Amino acid sequence: DAKTTQPTSMDCAEGRAANLPCNHSTISGNEYVYWYRQIHSQGPQYIIHGLKNNETNEMASLIITEDRKSSTLILPHATLRDTAVYYCIVKGGYGGSQGNLIFGKGTKLSVKP
Amino acid sequence: DGGITQSPKYLFRKEGQNVTLSCEQNLNHDAMYWYRQDPGQGLRLIYYSQIVNDFQKGDIAEGYSVSREKKESFPLTVTSAQKNPTAFYLCASSIGDRPEEPYEQYFGPGTRLTVT
Repeated sequence: DAKTTQPTSMDCAEGRAANLPCNHSTISGNEYVYWYRQIHSQGPQYIIHGLKNNETNEMASLIITEDRKSSTLILPHATLRDTAVYYCIVKGGYGGSQGNLIFGKGTKLSVKP
Repeated sequence: DGGITQSPKYLFRKEGQNVTLSCEQNLNHDAMYWYRQDPGQGLRLIYYSQIVNDFQKGDIAEGYSVSREKKESFPLTVTSAQKNPTAFYLCASSIGDRPEEPYEQYFGPGTRLTVT
């Protein structure tokens, strides 16, 4: 089972900020939060990752709460091309498949004109 | 251009036949992965390889086999033992595979396999 909880779907107006929440209440101290997105029928695309501090890159910002139990991905100016399924992932732990990124069902973001 | 290629994009097979999906990367990555995605679902890990000549089972390895004879190649065979092989198959690679280090996985475009 996925270690994160995300809303099934969200809408956002074009040009506005899209704020995608994620709960990961069982995250352990050395696990990172990753965000990927998948445009229909394509392979997932890496967006951003973080451990404790907020992070920003050319695609998005990642806000992680102080207790690390939740985070928010922010797309500052959403465009129609940002319509995709967004996955919040906590990196797999030490047991079993160490590199396993556990993909849940994600949030389907629809950016509307 | 550096990246991951998967071929073919669409593949059709009859039930009972084995089929091999290709995955090649020129990113010089050590780790490679195979995922399966069913409609409306997330990705599930089939197999992964951290280094040449070594690979481990993921969460749903039954009915699949892999090889890793070269760093850049990680083919996946869907055998006749796989009960529900029709799915979207995604290959990925990453620089390494160590839990204490952050990394990102780069995905190929996927192969859509239909078995009838």
